[in-house]
Parts: sequence; C-alpha cells; structure tokens
Amino acid sequence: NAGVMQNPRHLVRRRGQEARLRCSPMKGHSHVYWYRQLPEEGLKFMVYLQKENIIDESGMPKERFSAEFPKEGPSILRIQQVVRGDSAAYFCASSPEQGSPTDTQYFGPGTRLTVL
Amino acid sequence: AQKITQTQPGMFVQEKEAVTLDCTYDTSDPSYGLFWYKQPSSGEMIFLIYQGSYDQQNATEGRYSLNFQKARKSANLVISASQLGDSAMYFCAMREAVASSNTGKLIFGQGTTLQVKP
Repeated sequence: NAGVMQNPRHLVRRRGQEARLRCSPMKGHSHVYWYRQLPEEGLKFMVYLQKENIIDESGMPKERFSAEFPKEGPSILRIQQVVRGDSAAYFCASSPEQGSPTDTQYFGPGTRLTVL
Repeated sequence: AQKITQTQPGMFVQEKEAVTLDCTYDTSDPSYGLFWYKQPSSGEMIFLIYQGSYDQQNATEGRYSLNFQKARKSANLVISASQLGDSAMYFCAMREAVASSNTGKLIFGQGTTLQVKP
C-alpha cells in the first residue's frame, strides 16, 4: 500500500529554467495539496486540487507557478523561469475527503529544489 | 485569521524522559482539527497525532499524547520516554472545517527542534 509518491526527490535547476514536480496521491485519495517549505520555516499552503479542478490557489505566487491534477496521471507543480528564491522543499499531501477537519493529510517525501 | 504559534525554537530532553512541545492556535471557527507532524533530518513529514475540536478526551497514540486545553487554545504535544530517534523538527498544524471560504488546507506553526540527549 504505497504512500504519497513525489519525484524527483532532488532537483537542481539554473535560473531561468523550468521545474516540474510530480505527485502521485495515495491510492483512493482524490484530493491533493501542495505546500512549500523555505529553509528554517514551516510549511506554507500553495494550492489545493481535485481531479481536473483547481479548488484553491490562494497560496500560489501570481506569476510563474501553475499546478494541475489531470484525470489520469500525477499532479504536477510547474515553476517557470525559476529564480534563487524558489529554492525550497515542495511537499504534496493527499487526503481521501475534503469535508471534515478530521481528514488527515498524508505527506509525500518532498522535492528539494535548488536553483543555482 | 487562523494562526498557529510554536514559541520554542529548540528543546533538549534526556533520553527516557518526557517532554512537552507547546502549540497555541487562534481561530474563530468552532469546528477544527489539530495535528502534529514530525520532520526528521531526512526531511519527510510524518503524521503523529490528531485532535478534533469537539473531542472530549485528549488524543493518544503510543508514546504521543496531546494536551488539549480548548479554553486556552493550546494543543501541546507530550512525548513520553524519549528515544534518540525522536530527535527531529515537530510541527503543529490546524485545519478548519470546510466552508465556502475554506478548503481544508493546513496552517502550520514555525516548528520546534527537539534534540534527545543520550
């Protein structure tokens, strides 16, 4: 029973390149959340998706960042034209249902993005 | 606005002793959940324990227990019989009930680094 999968675990990009981060939720989970953790800080919410729908992107930077969760395949967090300030750990979490505060979100191992 | 505060940047505890990690929160929603996660040096986020705002009893999971004081809006994590493997960063998080303006995202505190001494 696989947990939340994220790949790659480590990603190095030069300034101006694109970064693509992938997340496969736990089996049976249809709700995906992306969080960002800057060095020495807690996690900050970025975006919440269900299959084929972005539900809440209030934590996403207005430019260069986008996310999707297609009907088939993993959720993708895409960062265009990366800058050094994008260096962080990006975590994906999944939960089976949205409706209750009791629903635990289970996290993937994270993708550590380093921008040179 | 919802907020989570962890006032202890770092804590030390002797192996086999108990330790309490503090967490206070602020919300106007009567229905919410409180979570603790552990982040070891390897970086993953491990779910430890959950407390619901309407739960009458404090949550327990093995060596972890949550000291929930609703009137004081605190949800402290107690780790009993500390082990060397407990050395990690610990995050308190809150999730409000889903409503039209809230989609169940987690709000995290800044974290507490716990070091267990042999």
